[in-house]
Amino acid sequence: GENVEQHPSTLSVQEGDSAVIKCTYSDSASNYFPWYKQELGKRPQLIIDIRSNVGEKKDQRIAVTLNKTAKHFSLHITETQPEDSAVYFCAATRNSGGSNYKLTFGKGTLLTVNP
Amino acid sequence: NAGVTQTPKFRILKIGQSMTLQCAQDMNHNYMYWYRQDPGMGLKLIYYSVGAGITDKGEVPNGYNVSRSTTEDFPLRLELAAPSQTSVYFCASRQSLAGVFEQFFGPGTRLTVL
Repeated sequence: GENVEQHPSTLSVQEGDSAVIKCTYSDSASNYFPWYKQELGKRPQLIIDIRSNVGEKKDQRIAVTLNKTAKHFSLHITETQPEDSAVYFCAATRNSGGSNYKLTFGKGTLLTVNP
Repeated sequence: NAGVTQTPKFRILKIGQSMTLQCAQDMNHNYMYWYRQDPGMGLKLIYYSVGAGITDKGEVPNGYNVSRSTTEDFPLRLELAAPSQTSVYFCASRQSLAGVFEQFFGPGTRLTVL
């Protein structure tokens, strides 16, 4: 089955700096890679995702890059703000009915943005 | 739409007790999932369902059971609760349209087994 490794487990940055979180996956057939943000005591919420037919996707201050050859993908947050403080999870799955779209999650990164 | 709802929000069980965690969605999603979240361990899939009457095991199914009699509801049953089942449980759902993959999560149930 799929295995997703996520690094670092904790990340502390100053407000305005950039933050990068990296994930690797094991199943070369995986082709859908979402990122979820979970604030303390809240539910995970999708913030951005990428499919294997593109190498990069941006949405305002966040971006995700994918390297299929190396089987890794990264989340980039620019101009960080205190409200970006949360746990971020990467995940991977095969984009096919045969997989039933089961997500395999990384263990999460606690991002702290210091004012 | 209420989205994905879960009850209860919190529960304390004694070892050996049983309970059912409720999950419901009003988005007519065929796919539903149960995850548990332990500190520092991400989310692990317990059971999932691709439609009413169809369920299957995920990564960590031992000690749990599910049923899916309707599209809307996907309850998770704990029999003979153990301290190892202390966790936060999230239910999620997604629609089955081609090209749409986002899973929507419920607010979670925090369970403590003492």
